[in-house]
Amino acid sequence: RKEVEQDPGPFNVPEGATVAFNCTYSNSASQSFFWYRQDCRKEPKLLMSVYSSGNEDGRFTAQLNRASQYISLLIRDSKLSDSATYLCVLSTTDSWGKLQFGAGTQVVVTP
Amino acid sequence: ETGVTQTPRHLVMGMTNKKSLKCEQHLGHNAMYWYKQSAKKPLELMFVYSLEERVENNSVPSRFSPECPNSSHLFLHLHTLQPEDSALYLCASSQPNSTDTQYFGPGTRLTVL
Repeated sequence: RKEVEQDPGPFNVPEGATVAFNCTYSNSASQSFFWYRQDCRKEPKLLMSVYSSGNEDGRFTAQLNRASQYISLLIRDSKLSDSATYLCVLSTTDSWGKLQFGAGTQVVVTP
Repeated sequence: ETGVTQTPRHLVMGMTNKKSLKCEQHLGHNAMYWYKQSAKKPLELMFVYSLEERVENNSVPSRFSPECPNSSHLFLHLHTLQPEDSALYLCASSQPNSTDTQYFGPGTRLTVL
């Protein structure tokens, strides 16, 4: 089993719609969780951290479910500029600065 | 603007060539990383440096040789590469804490012929 699993997509989303997707992880020692965004042929950039209580940043909402070992990302009122690959990223308590990346979920927002 | 720069942005090399990738960060961070990203695969951590000391070598073949002369610069020396080494090589920096964000450079897209 992969340490970080994501549905590769693509998720084709009409502009203005809502899209949500999950990421599951296998290491229960995972401590910190992030969503990164990667545009085509560009570097990953931090979108948001994911906190135990869930958190929201504008149109983006992230949730963490430690019991079931998954995190989720929801995008409301999708914009064309939201088209990207969203990477699930986590770190564990036994490794400093060492991040584990999922392969990403591709989102394509269509007019 | 990312604060982490990488050169060259694109590199094509033969299997017998020797080349070097360069990364520079202007963020005052103490940890730097090399990652490899192949198509449709997760980023693979290759090397980690903290305070200019290598603290992680993730079973990377010896044809990849990192160098960190100071906390702002990181190199990846390439020698006798294979076609399967063709990928996007990303440099990142952070403070050496598992909860801190890593900032990535734009990457070097490497093609080995």
